Amino acid sequence: GQQLNQSPQSMFIQEGEDVSMNCTSSSIFNTWLWYKQDPGEGPVLLIALYKAGELTSNGRLTAQFGITRKDSFLNISASIPSDVGIYFCAGRFNTNAGKSTFGDGTTLTVKP
Amino acid sequence: DTGVSQDPRHKITKRGQNVTFRCDPISEHNRLYWYRQTLGQGPEFLTYFQNEAQLEKSRLLSDRFSAERPKGSFSTLEIQRTEQGDSAMYLCASSFSGFGLNTEAFFGQGTRLTVV
Repeated sequence: GQQLNQSPQSMFIQEGEDVSMNCTSSSIFNTWLWYKQDPGEGPVLLIALYKAGELTSNGRLTAQFGITRKDSFLNISASIPSDVGIYFCAGRFNTNAGKSTFGDGTTLTVKP
Repeated sequence: DTGVSQDPRHKITKRGQNVTFRCDPISEHNRLYWYRQTLGQGPEFLTYFQNEAQLEKSRLLSDRFSAERPKGSFSTLEIQRTEQGDSAMYLCASSFSGFGLNTEAFFGQGTRLTVV
């Protein structure tokens, strides 16, 4: 079945640093999603990407949909303590179907 | 409407017992999803409904699992004869059907199941 490889598994950075994480797939996706999950909470959608090559920003977050449709990356600029959490990528083959396949997450720790 | 609501938030049960979880989606949403998340992993799709119709089920959803959405509003997920391997966070999400950002899913806070 479809598998998503997300890296790095964890990151420890200083406040103010930029962060980059990525996701690769063995299959083509037509939608890429990036979520953040805080402890004891459900994932919250950060960015959605619908076209190959698309680059989308949401505040200090920027994500890109890879040209091959098999990868995506998320950048966070000028990290702050509240960026701490687990970031998940998710892909979906069908643009109009509910099922998404999730990566195993990147755990981000920001040291003040 | 304050979002997707799940009940209970935590459940501890003995192996072999049956458990049932409830999800109340965002009221206008016609799609409802169930995912399972174990420690250190991302959510894994279990099943989803459009209105009251169950449109897809993962092979993770063994015959001990059953989900219903009888009136196209709230949904229940029942696990019969629970096993220790069922211990996980069970996440519910809802969305509009269609294409685009306003059709992406909103997740609830989950029900954490511990089977002892």
